[in-house]
Amino acid sequence: QLQLQESGPGLVKPSETLSLTCTVSGGSISSSSYYWGWIRQPPGKGLEWIGSIYYSGSTYYNPSLKSRVTISVDTSKNQFSLKLSSVTAADTAVYYCARQARLLLFPVQVDYWGQGTLVTVSS
Amino acid sequence: QLVLTQSPSASASLGASVKLTCTLSSGHSSYAIAWHQQQPEKGPRYLMKLNSDGSHSKGDGIPDRFSGSSSGAERYLTISSLQSEDEADYYCQTWGTGIGVFGGGTKLTVL
Repeated sequence: QLQLQESGPGLVKPSETLSLTCTVSGGSISSSSYYWGWIRQPPGKGLEWIGSIYYSGSTYYNPSLKSRVTISVDTSKNQFSLKLSSVTAADTAVYYCARQARLLLFPVQVDYWGQGTLVTVSS
Repeated sequence: QLVLTQSPSASASLGASVKLTCTLSSGHSSYAIAWHQQQPEKGPRYLMKLNSDGSHSKGDGIPDRFSGSSSGAERYLTISSLQSEDEADYYCQTWGTGIGVFGGGTKLTVL
């Protein structure tokens, strides 16, 4: 059974960088069939796709966040990571990691979700 | 621009059926989508991928009560024999060439 687990600080100061890691178990992050993504959900609001990465390192980012986002992968640890720089209170959200199917070189539907981790931006 | 539109809320009685709608923006009526369920205080759960021809493939362990269908730019999620645990937020998701998009979600209340 595939499992994804987010980890990282639950509190980040404004203007600093938010860093999260997703550990994948029960499957290989190096599978050619999948991308690995980050999605967030501000309190009481809907879901927002942040970006996705393939095991080779190929990435796609939400244009609205692209200037502040970096997603990386460590295949030796079966992990992928998110960095979001220059955070503000608007970045306070539950952050989910997820597996996405791959179709014609692109990430498509999310088919497995992590349980999510709340990150609060506050001084 | 690729956009998904969902009604903010829906309601139906215990044991009845309900049909939720997700509408693709103009020019994108051939796109597939995915449906996700988010029960209160929980993370989302993948329900199914739904193609423009109405064919769909469900996630692991998703009951037969959940089904999908399509008509033009509209994608539907039908839940039959509603149970109390079906009270949740339902999100549709689609994708362009490297871009992911979510609808705003529909909050389903089971009466």
